[in-house]
Amino acid sequence: DAMVIQNPRYQVTQFGKPVTLSCSQTLNHNVMYWYQQKSSQAPKLLFHYYDKDFNNEADTPDNFQSRRPNTSFCFLDIRSPGLGDAAMYLCATSRSRLDNEQFFGPGTRLTVL
Amino acid sequence: EDKVVQSPLSLVVHEGDTVTLNCSYEVTNFRSLLWYKQEKKAPTFLFMLTSSGIEKKSGRLSSILDKKELFSILNITATQTGDSAVYLCAAPEETSGSRLTFGEGTQLTVNP
Repeated sequence: DAMVIQNPRYQVTQFGKPVTLSCSQTLNHNVMYWYQQKSSQAPKLLFHYYDKDFNNEADTPDNFQSRRPNTSFCFLDIRSPGLGDAAMYLCATSRSRLDNEQFFGPGTRLTVL
Repeated sequence: EDKVVQSPLSLVVHEGDTVTLNCSYEVTNFRSLLWYKQEKKAPTFLFMLTSSGIEKKSGRLSSILDKKELFSILNITATQTGDSAVYLCAAPEETSGSRLTFGEGTQLTVNP
């Protein structure tokens, strides 16, 4: 089945230790998104790629970076995780910029010790 | 700045009850409104509404949009414990891409 896959599902890291979360999709969608969702809050968009065009949200900290080496994969790098970065990280895709429906992966829950 | 507001923030009902969840929005150049259900994992898509007054239905769930009053409702009839989840309402922004502005969500708990 076509889908959005995130690995790992659970990630534990230490304060300040870089971590990479991965997302892959078999939907062949042009747009990929990374959201941060903290407990009892709505998902907050960090950035998105339209094809290879990277779009950063104005309030996304510099600590968060992203890479999209090809259509199928997108990575979220957190260079120096702080305790406040503990959250669920959601990857989503959409066919195009005009397509409003987004398909979400299962998420990666990040714990920072 | 675009805004999506949901109410109530949480709701506890008994199995068999009918619930109505509310979503109001202020979005520049409105295109659509989406409803998602989120259990303890990623949101799953429920409905996309673009036209006013046309009800979308899927089993016991239905939703309708009022573009004049800028709100949408999600109805769930004959609730079941499996309906317990956070229900998120979202609207795409006008800027590049399909950035979604999410509401805070309504936490629905259905007790047996």
